[in-house]
Amino acid sequence: KNEVEQSPQNLTAQEGEFITINCSYSVGISALHWLQQHPGGGIVSLFMLSSGKKKHGRLIATINIQEKHSSLHITASHPRDSAVYICAVKTNFGNEKLTFGTGTRLTIIP
Amino acid sequence: KAGVTQTPRYLIKTRGQQVTLSCSPISGHRSVSWYQQTPGQGLQFLFEYFSETQRNKGNFPGRFSGRQFSNSRSEMNVSTLELGDSALYLCASSQGSWGLAEAFFGQGTRLTVV
Repeated sequence: KNEVEQSPQNLTAQEGEFITINCSYSVGISALHWLQQHPGGGIVSLFMLSSGKKKHGRLIATINIQEKHSSLHITASHPRDSAVYICAVKTNFGNEKLTFGTGTRLTIIP
Repeated sequence: KAGVTQTPRYLIKTRGQQVTLSCSPISGHRSVSWYQQTPGQGLQFLFEYFSETQRNKGNFPGRFSGRQFSNSRSEMNVSTLELGDSALYLCASSQGSWGLAEAFFGQGTRLTVV
């Protein structure tokens, strides 16, 4: 079992829909990151969370430390939101390594 | 403020050769970390350098190495290339150790080994 699991793997939605992407992890963490990767490879860091909730524009990220779960929400989705969304965690023990989820490919149809 | 710059953007090498990739971080950032991305394995952490010292290392063979210079620029070297080393190599810079600070990514170097 991977230490970081994302769901769904693929998501197609109509423009304007509310989007939720989930990330579950099985290890102790110092922080959790949500990343966005567009075709061509460029990665943008969206959020860094260690507790609670953060909001930036139409994007909202939440984390529940006790349940080892985080969600990324997109309100009023737009075709430009089409990208791969990746969850990453920094473990808080041993090598303090960074572990990535396999990503969620989001496609927003106009 | 200039972003993270990786060079070259594309590279084709032959099995057995070695390759050096370069990453120039955002000015003032002391941490540079490297990642390999392949369709099969996704994103994997290679190593992190902070103030010229390797701070963390992922589970990659010794053929993968790196270094950081006093101006925070970093290089990554892969020796004795294998076909499986074909991947997108990304670097990221941050003010503190990534995981605990926001990271800014370069556009990546796409390496093809033939």
